[in-house]
Amino acid sequence: EAGVAQSPRYKIIEKRQSVAFWCNPISGHATLYWYQQILGQGPKLLIQFQNNGVVDDSQLPKDRFSAERLKGVDSTLKIQPAKLEDSAVYLCASGGGQGSYNEQFFGPGTRLTVL
Amino acid sequence: EDQVTQSPEALRLQEGESSSLNCSYTVSGLRGLFWYRQDPGKGPEFLFTLYSAGEEKEKERLKATLTKKESFLHITAPKPEDSATYLCAVQGISGSARQLTFGSGTQLTVLP
Repeated sequence: EAGVAQSPRYKIIEKRQSVAFWCNPISGHATLYWYQQILGQGPKLLIQFQNNGVVDDSQLPKDRFSAERLKGVDSTLKIQPAKLEDSAVYLCASGGGQGSYNEQFFGPGTRLTVL
Repeated sequence: EDQVTQSPEALRLQEGESSSLNCSYTVSGLRGLFWYRQDPGKGPEFLFTLYSAGEEKEKERLKATLTKKESFLHITAPKPEDSATYLCAVQGISGSARQLTFGSGTQLTVLP
């Protein structure tokens, strides 16, 4: 079974530029999550989708971050404009599949550096 | 608000030296407690889910236990390949369904 795919793996941008990350979840997983992980900390949830609807985006900085999950499969997270404090690893996870209702499975992440 | 505190922040062991990692949590109601392993440059890898106090789960040299206030990850006779950051997360009844709140992790180094 293929895991969660993310791209790009690394991205370096200047502050005030925009950037987008892509995620393809495990086949059959209805729930998709985006997390932000700052160095030395645990992942922090940004947004949760159930199929193509948003379940929770209470911790998403909506003035600069946006996310969509068209057709209930893959998803895109965008930052516009980026700030220095957005430097982090952005992790995508999926779950809600058969036999693993509560567990979340993570992709490799995208490491973002904002200069 | 759900909270998770992990200790110690870092732990160095000699190969074969058993030890335990601690995860203390505060939730209004626990749906589940999760342990993950994270290697440098990779996403967290799922290890265990525990649902109720007294529950235990094992996988190779790892055993996770759960009480009403904390969870322990016991590592028996560790090997260098067990070196990683171990993350604990809780899923509470507040917030959205299946939302996880993570601790900051314990960075484990096993020396040969």
